[in-house]
Amino acid sequence: SAVISQKPSRDICQRGTSLTIQCQVDSQVTMMFWYRQQPGQSLTLIATANQGSEATYESGFVIDKFPISRPNLTFSTLTVSNMSPEDSSIYLCSVPGASSGNTIYFGEGSWLTVV
Amino acid sequence: GENVEQHPSTLSVQEGDSAVIKCTYSDSASNYFPWYKQELGKRPQLIIDIRSNVGEKKDQRIAVTLNKTAKHFSLHITETQPEDSAVYFCAATYSGNTPLVFGKGTRLSVIA
Repeated sequence: SAVISQKPSRDICQRGTSLTIQCQVDSQVTMMFWYRQQPGQSLTLIATANQGSEATYESGFVIDKFPISRPNLTFSTLTVSNMSPEDSSIYLCSVPGASSGNTIYFGEGSWLTVV
Repeated sequence: GENVEQHPSTLSVQEGDSAVIKCTYSDSASNYFPWYKQELGKRPQLIIDIRSNVGEKKDQRIAVTLNKTAKHFSLHITETQPEDSAVYFCAATYSGNTPLVFGKGTRLSVIA
């Protein structure tokens, strides 16, 4: 299994500010996925982060709002820019297991509240 | 792309009864179907998964069935207990290098 460290675990943010979430994996992975879970909703894919190339964003998500970095095969960051209360969500990074078939692992999540 | 539908959105059962949650998927290439349980204030936790070469899988009180022809899979919880109360999500993907697509979730309440 993969061990994923994600931080911050929780934060309260002021409207208009930006916050960067970090995701560190204990093994090298080609793909890292970033999800958002708004209150009472399901998980929605924001983007797929590949090492050495631009992230691939899903419909409804743009790089200016959610810039992603992927400097190496064990680390990625997601920034939530110019936050509004609608950005209050859980943000989760996710990676496929290296030797577990299709099993996909999640970090513990970053709970963001925008006030 | 893949689309996953999940029903029901809410489910209430008496303690000791069985609960069944159903999901359908659209992409016949999908071959991995996990189920996640999310308790309040916590991240989703994988509880069971099934791959397309298997029709059924059991783990104690939890089982998952898969019908590839009909493109649907179901979660079965027997002898439900109050601690089974949570939101359950189904998901589907083609491979470990493609992201999971989630259903909208089912809020299960087990009434003591």
